[in-house]
Amino acid sequence: DAKTTQPNSMESNEEEPVHLPCNHSTISGTDYIHWYRQLPSQGPEYVIHGLTSNVNNRMASLAIAEDRKSSTLILHRATLRDAAVYYCILRDLGKTSGSRLTFGEGTQLTVNP
Amino acid sequence: EAQVTQNPRYLITVTGKKLTVTCSQNMNHEYMSWYRQDPGLGLRQIYYSMNVEVTDKGDVPEGYKVSRKEKRNFPLILESPSPNQTSLYFCASCKGLAATDTQYFGPGTRLTVL
Repeated sequence: DAKTTQPNSMESNEEEPVHLPCNHSTISGTDYIHWYRQLPSQGPEYVIHGLTSNVNNRMASLAIAEDRKSSTLILHRATLRDAAVYYCILRDLGKTSGSRLTFGEGTQLTVNP
Repeated sequence: EAQVTQNPRYLITVTGKKLTVTCSQNMNHEYMSWYRQDPGLGLRQIYYSMNVEVTDKGDVPEGYKVSRKEKRNFPLILESPSPNQTSLYFCASCKGLAATDTQYFGPGTRLTVL
């Protein structure tokens, strides 16, 4: 599986935008970029995914570099509830691998009031 | 409401005493799986099931069993628990195996084996 690299931790202030980076320099052409997050004492939850184009949904935006070797999850206005560990995960369209999600260490986001 | 439920949420047991953690989903999903989460090791897949009566090993299956007799349920069985199985366990379900399918996770079961 292609590997992703994320910073261990990031900090933001409430109501400010947050940009969470992810590097995936060995990404293949069929890899989708997924983001999940895990709030304290909860299971991971899906945030967003994309292949090549930038994507928006009610939770966040995903900006994908033109060469696809990196991506950025954007929370437009962070709230205290957004404090979580954010995971960037690649999923290959061509493989099933039991549909396993390979979680790395993720980025611990702290949101200051 | 679409959800994955797990029971119990917390369990303290002793070495060797068989236990079952139940998992149920109400989304008619084909695919279900179990993960364990340990500090410094992240989430690792234990077993998965692609449909009723179809199960397979994930990355860390030793010491665990599963069954999939009904589409909605996927229990995790520890026949003879040991202290190294003390962990936080998550059940997950997914519509299918496409790279665009998203996984839904349960709230977790914190297991302590003394």
